[in-house]
Amino acid sequence: GIQVEQSPPDLILQEGANSTLRCNFSDSVNNLQWFHQNPWGQLINLFYIPSGTKQNGRLSATTVATERYSLLYISSSQTTDSGVYFCAVGYSGNTPLVFGKGTRLSVIA
Amino acid sequence: NAGVTQTPKFQVLKTGQSMTLQCAQDMNHNSMYWYRQDPGMGLRLIYYSASEGTTDKGEVPNGYNVSRLNKREFSLRLESAAPSQTSVYFCASRLTGGENGYTFGSGTRLTVV
Repeated sequence: GIQVEQSPPDLILQEGANSTLRCNFSDSVNNLQWFHQNPWGQLINLFYIPSGTKQNGRLSATTVATERYSLLYISSSQTTDSGVYFCAVGYSGNTPLVFGKGTRLSVIA
Repeated sequence: NAGVTQTPKFQVLKTGQSMTLQCAQDMNHNSMYWYRQDPGMGLRLIYYSASEGTTDKGEVPNGYNVSRLNKREFSLRLESAAPSQTSVYFCASRLTGGENGYTFGSGTRLTVV
């Protein structure tokens, strides 16, 4: 099956700093999503991005499908950005997502 | 709009007991999923249902059964709980096709002693 690797596993930032999270995957996919799990455990979908670039406020994501990686950018980080960020991929829109192990982000005031 | 509702939120079981985790969505989604989350492991798929009337095994199905009761509800049953099933269980749903992401429930924290 597909392997999903996320890096770094842990990241500590000062409030206001920028960061880049990376997701590598082992096979061609047609479905890639980024999620944020807040400190209370709730999982929120951030982006559906099997290819190309999207932006939503201070967050943006880029997927280069031909090179099998995706990047999540967080600019001007805030303490509310803390939590775990998951990348998940699937062969198609109809196959279940396979999740990476996540990047744990801590933003310190 | 409640989204995906999971019950219960917390549960403690003794080894060998059975229980059913309930999941319901009100978004008219056709696909539903059960994942478990263990420390350092990310989320792993237990079972999924691509549409009403169908269910399929995921990566870690042993010890579990599921029922897609109708389009709204997808339950997960532990017939004889084991300590290895101590985990946080998440239900998710999705409208397949197009740029539709997963919507997750708030999770059920299960401890088996």
